[in-house]
Amino acid sequence: AQSVTQPDIHITVSEGASLELRCNYSYGATPYLFWYVQSPGQGLQLLLKYFSGDTLVQGIKGFEAEFKRSQSSFNLRKPSVHWSDAAEYFCAVASGTYKYIFGTGTRLKVLA
Amino acid sequence: GAGVSQSPSNKVTEKGKDVELRCDPISGHTALYWYRQSLGQGLEFLIYFQGNSAPDKSGLPSDRFSAERTGGSVSTLTIQRTQQEDSAVYLCASSPRRSSYNEQFFGPGTRLTVL
Repeated sequence: AQSVTQPDIHITVSEGASLELRCNYSYGATPYLFWYVQSPGQGLQLLLKYFSGDTLVQGIKGFEAEFKRSQSSFNLRKPSVHWSDAAEYFCAVASGTYKYIFGTGTRLKVLA
Repeated sequence: GAGVSQSPSNKVTEKGKDVELRCDPISGHTALYWYRQSLGQGLEFLIYFQGNSAPDKSGLPSDRFSAERTGGSVSTLTIQRTQQEDSAVYLCASSPRRSSYNEQFFGPGTRLTVL
């Protein structure tokens, strides 16, 4: 069965530090992968997506993610975190033609 | 343009009561999705609409849950005889059409609390 694992429930980083959020997926075919961010009281906003081609994907707000098929991973990175990046981050894989399977999320706290 | 809107933003109800949650998708989006987000859980798929039809209801947790969509636009998720375990944030999303390629645009959600 398809699944998405985000092993880190909480992560705390200092403002200006680099960030990496982990995502591992289980999916038999070529996956369509997404990262969404959810700020408090807000809906989910798409940061970036991977369908095919270049395995390093650039997104909004300075985020990027790298697809590694051999490791079944799609980790999200940012070189320098801003206080406004504090939020919850969800990784998702598209199952079939439309259904998303989400991970349980990683809550990011940014220290001033 | 306007994004996906949901109402109410918060709903507190007593166990056993029925509730209706509303979703207004982005105009022109033919695909609409409902998800449930429980504390400590990821987003759980509930139901998918293409137009007014619901080809996939596989995620509805019980027969107390139902949903409809009218005019290819507004959707209502109804929970009958609510239970405490129904407490969660219910998120609606829409996309231009059914496809894994299409980004799903999410509304802010309705936080349901069952006392």
